[in-house]
Amino acid sequence: GAVVSQHPSWVICKSGTSVKIECRSLDFQATTMFWYRQFPKQSLMLMATSNEGSKATYEQGVEKDKFLINHASLTLSTLTVTSAHPEDSSFYICSGWGLAPNEQFFGPGTRLTVL
Amino acid sequence: SQQGEEDPQALSIQEGENATMNCSYKTSINNLQWYRQNSGRGLVHLILIRSNEREKHSGRLRVTLDTSKKSSSLLITASRAADTASYFCATDARYGNKLVFGAGTILRVKS
Repeated sequence: GAVVSQHPSWVICKSGTSVKIECRSLDFQATTMFWYRQFPKQSLMLMATSNEGSKATYEQGVEKDKFLINHASLTLSTLTVTSAHPEDSSFYICSGWGLAPNEQFFGPGTRLTVL
Repeated sequence: SQQGEEDPQALSIQEGENATMNCSYKTSINNLQWYRQNSGRGLVHLILIRSNEREKHSGRLRVTLDTSKKSSSLLITASRAADTASYFCATDARYGNKLVFGAGTILRVKS
């Protein structure tokens, strides 16, 4: 299957700082990228959907000014957690979907810990 | 709620036994997929079943889908210790590519 990478795989930051997570589709063009958040022992919750070149669509309850998503190219999307707080500590997973293949592929996730 | 439901929430079995997990969802779907997630890791895609299919097999995995009841089951036969993981079902809506994940089942296979 196609490959999606995330960088970094883990990050520890101080409260109040901003953290950027990159999601790349390595061998296909991801027309749409999705960002999920997963708290310990819970399932994945979709945060937002981004289409290349347009603004992201956020799910209800997700603050768009706090979680900035940029999808500037067909192979790269970034999620910036602004002014991170301990409650933002979570496992962030991205996925990419493209017309070829017509399937969604998941990245390995980024563990964010905010102290 | 965005999520469907899965049961059981946790399942502990002996190596060699079969494990059955169930998933229910709320809306009409195109496909239903099952994923595995080892602790603290990413998702591994296991199997996809389309809305017009009732049963699908892949190795030791058997998935059924009952669209009238909006439910699916995943059967893992002859379980191994390496099958220990969390298992999630995910559905995509009839229109659009968003996936909605179930709450997941934590499977522990004891050797």
